[in-house]
Amino acid sequence: DAGVTQSPTHLIKTRGQQVTLRCSPKSGHDTVSWYQQALGQGPQFIFQYYEEEERQRGNFPDRFSGHQFPNYSSELNVNALLLGDSALYLCASSFSNPSSTQYFGPGTRLTVL
Amino acid sequence: TQLLEQSPQFLSIQEGENLTVYCNSSSVFSSLQWYRQEPGEGPVLLVTVVTGGEVKKLKRLTFQFGDARKDSSLHITAAQPGDTGLYLCAGHPSGSARQLTFGSGTQLTVLP
Repeated sequence: DAGVTQSPTHLIKTRGQQVTLRCSPKSGHDTVSWYQQALGQGPQFIFQYYEEEERQRGNFPDRFSGHQFPNYSSELNVNALLLGDSALYLCASSFSNPSSTQYFGPGTRLTVL
Repeated sequence: TQLLEQSPQFLSIQEGENLTVYCNSSSVFSSLQWYRQEPGEGPVLLVTVVTGGEVKKLKRLTFQFGDARKDSSLHITAAQPGDTGLYLCAGHPSGSARQLTFGSGTQLTVLP
C-alpha cells in the first residue's frame, strides 16, 4: 500500500517564476492538505482540498493556489515566487472527517534564488 | 504569535538520559497530537491525546495532556540515538476543525 507521494523531491526556481508541486494521497483517502515548513519551524497550514474544492485556507496570499483532481491527487501552485517562499512543502492526506489522522508525504524542497 | 509554544527549541543529551519536551498554549484544544520528523521526511504521528489529564505510553515515550487541555508534555526515558529527530506538537484550534496547527518543534539529538 503506497503512502503519500510527492514530486518533485527538490526544485530550484528564481524570483518571479511560477511553480507547481504534485501530491498523490494514500490509497483510500479523499482529502489533501498542504503545508509550508520553513527551516527550523513547524509546518504552517496552507489549505485543504476535498471533492475538488478548497475547503479551508490558512493565512497565505492568493499567490498560493491549488487543485484537486477526480482521482484525489492534488497540485499546489505558487505564482510570482519570492525568496521567502523557499521552504519544504508538505502534502498530507486523510479521510474527510475532521478527526481523521493526516499522513504526510516526504515533501518537496523548494529553493528560490 | 505561535498558537502552540514548544520548549526547549533544541535539546542535546547523552544516550540513557531522560528528557521532557513541553507544548503550551493559551487556547483550549479538543485534542493534541505529537509527531516526529526526521531529515528528508514528513512528520509521522506518534500519538493523539484527547481527554484532559490523559496519559499515554508508547514504549519509552510518555505523553500527557493537561487537565485544562491547553498543554501537553512528552517524556522520553533512557533516550537512544534512534530517538533523534524533530518533535512537533499539533492540534486543531477552536473553530478550525480541519486546520492542523503545529508548534515550532523541539530538535532532539541523542549522542551515543
